[in-house]
Amino acid sequence: DQQVKQNSPSLSVQEGRISILNCDYTNSMFDYFLWYKKYPAEGPTFLISISSIKDKNEDGRFTVFLNKSAKHLSLHIVPSQPGDSAVYFCAASTNFGNEKLTFGTGTRLTIIP
Amino acid sequence: ETGVTQTPRHLVMGMTNKKSLKCEQHLGHNAMYWYKQSAKKPLELMFVYNFKEQTENNSVPSRFSPECPNSSHLFLHLHTLQPEDSALYLCASSPSGPGHEQYFGPGTRLTVT
Repeated sequence: DQQVKQNSPSLSVQEGRISILNCDYTNSMFDYFLWYKKYPAEGPTFLISISSIKDKNEDGRFTVFLNKSAKHLSLHIVPSQPGDSAVYFCAASTNFGNEKLTFGTGTRLTIIP
Repeated sequence: ETGVTQTPRHLVMGMTNKKSLKCEQHLGHNAMYWYKQSAKKPLELMFVYNFKEQTENNSVPSRFSPECPNSSHLFLHLHTLQPEDSALYLCASSPSGPGHEQYFGPGTRLTVT
């Protein structure tokens, strides 16, 4: 029973365009969400997070949007760059970010030069 | 060294062997984690340690035995594993308490023959 779902295993986007990665969750107790990025042979690295008291959080080229009623969040990357090619994981937790993270299966993003 | 390091990076072991995975963090964090990532599955939290005390065991079989001698080091002792235990094992650390992202090591790729 997967509580965090990333339904697109892969996504290809032209360099300079917007990349939109999606994540859905089923557990209404989740109130803190994170995005991680993973390159081959490396561990995941933290990108951006959002608490359920917000519906948007922005950090440079990265923006995360949260739609609580739809139990959906998305990561927007604009403009997309070749170095953004990686696997992106969505994760969620309760209690505004306790240690127990539940991850999605990831989306492989490929930026086409 | 900085960040979170893991050794070995690759390990092949037979089902009757005993081996250990090592994780070390140089970030001054007080929480450490073991995750398992199997092919096409999300990262699964295995164990959480806070200030050297185990605070989470996510129904992990006893053939996996964690040890946390201090806040900087975490071990995962392996014995009588099964082929389905072959996976990428990731260690992470974070400050204790809510609202902190986790910092991951590069992982140990384990193959059980």
